[in-house]
Amino acid sequence: DQQVKQNSPSLSVQEGRISILNCDYTNSMFDYFLWYKKYPAEGPTFLISISSIKDKNEDGRFTVFLNKSAKHLSLHIVPSQPGDSAVYFCAASGNSGNTPLVFGKGTRLSVIA
Amino acid sequence: NAGVTQTPKFRILKIGQSMTLQCAQDMNHNYMYWYRQDPGMGLKLIYYSVGAGITDKGEVPNGYNVSRSTTEDFPLRLELAAPSQTSVYFCASSYVQGQLDGYTFGSGTRLTVV
Repeated sequence: DQQVKQNSPSLSVQEGRISILNCDYTNSMFDYFLWYKKYPAEGPTFLISISSIKDKNEDGRFTVFLNKSAKHLSLHIVPSQPGDSAVYFCAASGNSGNTPLVFGKGTRLSVIA
Repeated sequence: NAGVTQTPKFRILKIGQSMTLQCAQDMNHNYMYWYRQDPGMGLKLIYYSVGAGITDKGEVPNGYNVSRSTTEDFPLRLELAAPSQTSVYFCASSYVQGQLDGYTFGSGTRLTVV
């Protein structure tokens, strides 16, 4: 039973346009949501996060939006650059004791020049 | 800063062989994790540790063992390798758990069991 779902395996966007990556979750106990970026042959790297008390967090070109009632979050990248081409993982955890991150399957973003 | 170091980077095992995947971190992080990533799949938690001497099972622990004798090291042991264990294994660490700073991941060990 997948608790974190990324329903789009891949996404192609033109350079300079907006990339929107989506993520849904089923566990209402999740309090922290994170996005990771992964290049081939490398480990995932942390990109941006948001807690359940917020609905938006921004860091440069990256913005994460959280809709708790819909159990949905999205990552916006504006403007998209060719270097953003990677696999993006959505992850979530609760805030009590032993709650390791649960990851989605990832979305492969291709930014076309 | 070395961060999280995993060795080896690649390994081919025969069915029934055993091996240990090494993971070391130099950030004095309390929490360490082992995930595996199969093609087209997300990362699935195998085992994790909240500190030296304490380990706990994740989502897919069968066929694996771990130990945490020091804060720095968290080796993952495969006792009887099976083809289903062909995967990319990632070790990660964090200062706290369930927070917003995320984990630091190693670069992975690609394991093939034939």
